[in-house]
Amino acid sequence: DVVMTQSPLSLPVTLGQPASISCRSSQSLVYSDGNTYLHWFQQRPGQSPRRLIYKVSNRDSGVPDRFSGSGSDTDFTLKISRVEAEDVGIYYCMQGTHWPLTFGGGTKVEIK
Amino acid sequence: QVHLVESGGGVVQPGGSLRLSCAASGFTFSTYGMHWVRQAPGKGLEWVAYARYDGNYKRCADSVKGRFTIFRDNSKNTLFLQMNSLRAEDTAVYYCAKDPDTLMGTGFDYWGQGTLVTVSS
Repeated sequence: DVVMTQSPLSLPVTLGQPASISCRSSQSLVYSDGNTYLHWFQQRPGQSPRRLIYKVSNRDSGVPDRFSGSGSDTDFTLKISRVEAEDVGIYYCMQGTHWPLTFGGGTKVEIK
Repeated sequence: QVHLVESGGGVVQPGGSLRLSCAASGFTFSTYGMHWVRQAPGKGLEWVAYARYDGNYKRCADSVKGRFTIFRDNSKNTLFLQMNSLRAEDTAVYYCAKDPDTLMGTGFDYWGQGTLVTVSS
């Protein structure tokens, strides 16, 4: 199985400051069709997960542009340019290139 | 607007069975793959099972293989998860999630609100 390793586990951030989450995969996530199926999800307290970023760097509709995704092959990053109070929650990366589909362990973003 | 509503969760004894349902609306259900994803209390997300748009191609996690079966009724826009031989470690919130693709299972673009399954004597 592809192991997805996220860091840090916990990320205390000051409001208005940037935040960055790393996600590394144990295998390349480039699929035979040329796409890289690496996605990011946000789970606010008490809510279902919500997709933020798909295929590395594409923002979902309604997602603020302070969220951005980057990376390639096995190394990926989610950045929040200026953290707001509503960004509190757990962030997961997830790979859809190889079966079984696997998630990172999650990064908890909290306000200092 | 995509809407996924899970039902069927509850408390069941170890070794028991349960069938979860997911009613879909707001999109052409028969065109997209669908998944079940679960989250144990206080834990992360775990993919459970996938069914292609026509139900003829399925995948499931090793942790549930031989015990759980995913299937769908496209005439009723409903996804199911039949869970047999339940164990304490199956206790989780089970989410139904839509795949953005027709033929490939590559991720989840919409999620339901989840239904809680508790396996306990």
